[in-house]
Amino acid sequence: DARVTQTPRHKVTEMGQEVTMRCQPILGHNTVFWYRQTMMQGLELLAYFRNRAPLDDSGMPKDRFSAEMPDATLATLKIQPSEPRDSAVYFCASGLVLGKNTEAFFGQGTRLTVV
Amino acid sequence: AQSVTQPDIHITVSEGASLELRCNYSYGATPYLFWYVQSPGQGLQLLLKYFSGDTLVQGIKGFEAEFKRSQSSFNLRKPSVHWSDAAEYFCAVGAMDTGRRALTFGSGTRLQVQP
Repeated sequence: DARVTQTPRHKVTEMGQEVTMRCQPILGHNTVFWYRQTMMQGLELLAYFRNRAPLDDSGMPKDRFSAEMPDATLATLKIQPSEPRDSAVYFCASGLVLGKNTEAFFGQGTRLTVV
Repeated sequence: AQSVTQPDIHITVSEGASLELRCNYSYGATPYLFWYVQSPGQGLQLLLKYFSGDTLVQGIKGFEAEFKRSQSSFNLRKPSVHWSDAAEYFCAVGAMDTGRRALTFGSGTRLQVQP
């Protein structure tokens, strides 16, 4: 049963610390998305990659956030330094974009709490 | 820019009653449209999608949705709701003419099912 795997599921950290969230996309998928979910803002797109290249990261605060795909089986989202306002659930999704197919499969998310 | 409006933040229905969740989108061309469901503490699961063709699409768990271009709507329906349908439902739109395959989500509708 193919699925998107995110680690860790939960993370509590102190303000100022570095946080790294990891995502293993579904094997064979060529597109990876990072979304952030909060009560106030709902689901916001932070970044997405096609064939490991960043296509759009305009939704990401550049001064503290960075997203990478070191290889096709791993995507990372890093926050340095973290702040309390970064507390949210971060979702990774992957999809196989071929022609008109743009379906995204979501992981279970990383719940981040910055105290 | 693409956008999605889900006018109902919270809906309560009785088990066995019919359901309709509203979704309106804004986009200049024909969009990709999706409905996702999120159970507490879980990621998003795709219920159904519309790309082209028949405007009435069938999804999983007995859900269906109808694309109405004239009304810019993509409402989700189910003829008889089960207690297990209690969750949050998200409508999403993705552009198909710019190559940008990311999804923009609505703010969600929380469904409560009364026994």
